[in-house]
Amino acid sequence: DSGVTQTPKHLITATGQRVTLRCSPRSGDLSVYWYQQSLDQGLQFLIQYYNGEERAKGNILERFSAQQFPDLHSELNLSSLELGDSALYFCASSVDERGYNEQFFGPGTRLTVL
Amino acid sequence: AQSVTQLDSQVPVFEEAPVELRCNYSSSVSVYLFWYVQYPNQGLQLLLKYLSGSTLVKGINGFEAEFNKSQTSFHLRKPSVHISDTAEYFCAVGLDSWGKLQFGAGTQVVVTP
Repeated sequence: DSGVTQTPKHLITATGQRVTLRCSPRSGDLSVYWYQQSLDQGLQFLIQYYNGEERAKGNILERFSAQQFPDLHSELNLSSLELGDSALYFCASSVDERGYNEQFFGPGTRLTVL
Repeated sequence: AQSVTQLDSQVPVFEEAPVELRCNYSSSVSVYLFWYVQYPNQGLQLLLKYLSGSTLVKGINGFEAEFNKSQTSFHLRKPSVHISDTAEYFCAVGLDSWGKLQFGAGTQVVVTP
């Protein structure tokens, strides 16, 4: 158990819909990272937040957005969902803004878009 | 631009045999390299990392990796594998100074008795 929690574990929805994925980092960690893992794209970095502020952006679509709240939990919002958004979404956390200290990964949320 | 290539998509290996997983990178900036492992139905876990210093890096569970700057490689090795090492292994390179990682496609290791 990494100490990072993600909810829900599984999510099934339809095209065009909007969903919110939630992540609670390890106690004391200030950075949260979001990753997407799919069969065709592999594991891709989406976005990083540090202490409530966006720190780095990766291959995140404009239909996707994220935020980190004052209690440090983070949410990833996916809208106008397409079939290709079906993937495993991981959240990771690290103690500071430099993710080269170990990133601790949650168990993931499996999103299926029908 | 940085990128990482894992040369083998799947590596079958017998229990107690050695294993080597190959990773090559390209980077135009300082090199930060990582190996993560993903056990079935779990998130990723850090095995080891190279940030600077000794080119031979020792990690958890008996794994080690060697940073070779001239060959732009960071191969992962274990002298004797267990059934429990069956997992997917990801090599990653740091894309900036903050912690943004680019992962390779992964190598599936299947250990059989």
